[in-house]
Amino acid sequence: EVVLTQSPGTLSLSPGERASLSCRASQSIRNSYLAWYQQKPGQPPRLLIYGASSRATGTPDRFSGSGSGTDFTLTISRLEPEDFAVYFCQQYDSSPLTFGPGTKVNIK
Amino acid sequence: QVQLVQSAAEVQKPGASVKVSCKASGDSFTTYYFFWVRQAPGLGPEWMGVINPGGGTTTYAQQFQGRITMTRDTSTSTVYMELSNLRSEDTAVYYCARGGTYGRWVWFDPWGQGTLVTVSS
Repeated sequence: EVVLTQSPGTLSLSPGERASLSCRASQSIRNSYLAWYQQKPGQPPRLLIYGASSRATGTPDRFSGSGSGTDFTLTISRLEPEDFAVYFCQQYDSSPLTFGPGTKVNIK
Repeated sequence: QVQLVQSAAEVQKPGASVKVSCKASGDSFTTYYFFWVRQAPGLGPEWMGVINPGGGTTTYAQQFQGRITMTRDTSTSTVYMELSNLRSEDTAVYYCARGGTYGRWVWFDPWGQGTLVTVSS
């Protein structure tokens, strides 16, 4: 099973600042089969990025994904008020499909 | 654009079963696989299994083997997830999601609104 570790657990930033969220895998993820989701309280996760770097339909271009192998990053170039939420990574390279524990982006 | 609408919240006693439904609308039902994912309070999502709505074949996560059954009704474009022998640790929000592209091992998009299942005596 691929275990995903996300860091930091909580990120406290101000609107307009840049956010960098890390997702590390316990083994190499082939073909960059990694997705990122955003979740707000009381809502289901919403797909932001798939294939490590491809933006989903409707994802603003301030969100970007990068990385390969075992190390992946989600970057939010300039935080907007609606970006304060929890972010999860998910690998779909192998079964069982697994998620990271999440990074919460708080307003500082 | 497909939309997924799930059944209402449930409260069940330990040892009972729960069956959650997920109705898809707006797109071809049999084109993509459907997944079930649950999320306990304060934790990350947990993949439970996948169903091919065309043939009905399923793959379950090992930790649910023997307790989970996924089915589908193509006439109503609905998928179902039944979990038996419930325990308090099964209290969670249960989500259905469609695969973002064709195949079993894919990302999830879109998601249903979630169904809260509470297991309590």
